[in-house]
Amino acid sequence: SQTIHQWPATLVQPVGSPLSLECTVEGTSNPNLYWYRQAAGRGLQLLFYSVGIGQISSEVPQNLSASRPQDRQFILSSKKLLLSDSGFYLCAWSVSSGNYGYTFGSGTRLTVV
Amino acid sequence: AQSVTQLDSQVPVFEEAPVELRCNYSSSVSVYLFWYVQYPNQGLQLLLKYLSGSTLVKGINGFEAEFNKSQTSFHLRKPSVHISDTAEYFCAVISGGYQKVTFGTGTKLQVIP
Repeated sequence: SQTIHQWPATLVQPVGSPLSLECTVEGTSNPNLYWYRQAAGRGLQLLFYSVGIGQISSEVPQNLSASRPQDRQFILSSKKLLLSDSGFYLCAWSVSSGNYGYTFGSGTRLTVV
Repeated sequence: AQSVTQLDSQVPVFEEAPVELRCNYSSSVSVYLFWYVQYPNQGLQLLLKYLSGSTLVKGINGFEAEFNKSQTSFHLRKPSVHISDTAEYFCAVISGGYQKVTFGTGTKLQVIP
């Protein structure tokens, strides 16, 4: 069966520090991968998605970047965190078409102080 | 383009009472529809999905939803709620040929003892 792992679960970082969140999927190949951010009162915002290794699409301009160095690994990064980067970050995967829905990781609560 | 509207941001309901969470979508082509549930500080879990066929879809935890094409709705229902159903519920849509799911802003269901 397929599983998705996301870590760390919680993170407190000072403003201006770097960020690296990692997400890996097991039990499937060539998944579509997604990073979402959930801020209070703002629902789910799609940040990045990837349909293959090295292929990243950005949905909104921001202080973050994403990379997919391996088929089942998706990394969310920042060189310098801002206070506004605080939120709940969710990784998700789907089969290539996405029509069967997403499977989400357990999320990372990021607090920038 | 596709969009989802969840008109109710919060729905309080007494335990063992029925509940309906409303969802309306907008799309010019055929759609696939989903409901997800999110418990505090956790990722999203798929409750149910409509891909094709019967318009009444049954999901986990006793929830069901009905796809109404003429009203472009996919409302979620449960005949008798439990305290454990307290969570945030997200409606989502994906249009044919489009790889990204669009989420509604969520409805917080609060079950009152």
